[in-house]
Amino acid sequence: GNSVTQMEGPVTLSEEAFLTINCTYTATGYPSLFWYVQYPGEGLQLLLKATKADDKGSNKGFEATYRKETTSFHLEKGSVQVSDSAVYFCALSDYRGSTLGRLYFGRGTQLTVWP
Amino acid sequence: EAQVTQNPRYLITVTGKKLTVTCSQNMNHEYMSWYRQDPGLGLRQIYYSMNVEVTDKGDVPEGYKVSRKEKRNFPLILESPSPNQTSLYFCASSLRTEFSGANVLTFGAGSRLTVL
Repeated sequence: GNSVTQMEGPVTLSEEAFLTINCTYTATGYPSLFWYVQYPGEGLQLLLKATKADDKGSNKGFEATYRKETTSFHLEKGSVQVSDSAVYFCALSDYRGSTLGRLYFGRGTQLTVWP
Repeated sequence: EAQVTQNPRYLITVTGKKLTVTCSQNMNHEYMSWYRQDPGLGLRQIYYSMNVEVTDKGDVPEGYKVSRKEKRNFPLILESPSPNQTSLYFCASSLRTEFSGANVLTFGAGSRLTVL
């Protein structure tokens, strides 16, 4: 079946530190991969996505590369800011041809960045 | 503004008192879904709908009902709420993409429900 495993938090960093949040997946077929971010008191919003192997998604200084060989989609940022404090969710969408795939979410990783 | 609107945002109720959480989207999205978020468990899908009059169970449908009579609305109904349904609920919607099937969701702001 389909599933997503991401590193457990919380993750606490100082401003300008390097961030990695690990995400691995299990899927049949050709899934699309996503990172969603949830800021305090808000709903989730899409941070970045990749729809095929070796694609790199990027947004707001965050990057993740779709690695089929290691079934991974790790989130990275070179220099975090206090405003990046949020919960980050890795997710996959299975591919069903012309039909929308279901989304499977990881459990979320809380990131806190201190000034 | 393109958005998913949920109401109420906060609700405290008692066991057994029927309630409905409304969800409306103004983006003409075909796909809509309900999730609950609980500490340590992440997001779990309750029900989803591929289009009008088409709904299906997610991972945790017990105790919930949904309907999709119109494209824009997807209410979540708790016929007889119990304390284990105390949670943060999110409605989400998306537009079907033709090629990759990538399901990019737009989320509502959430509804925090407490059942006493």
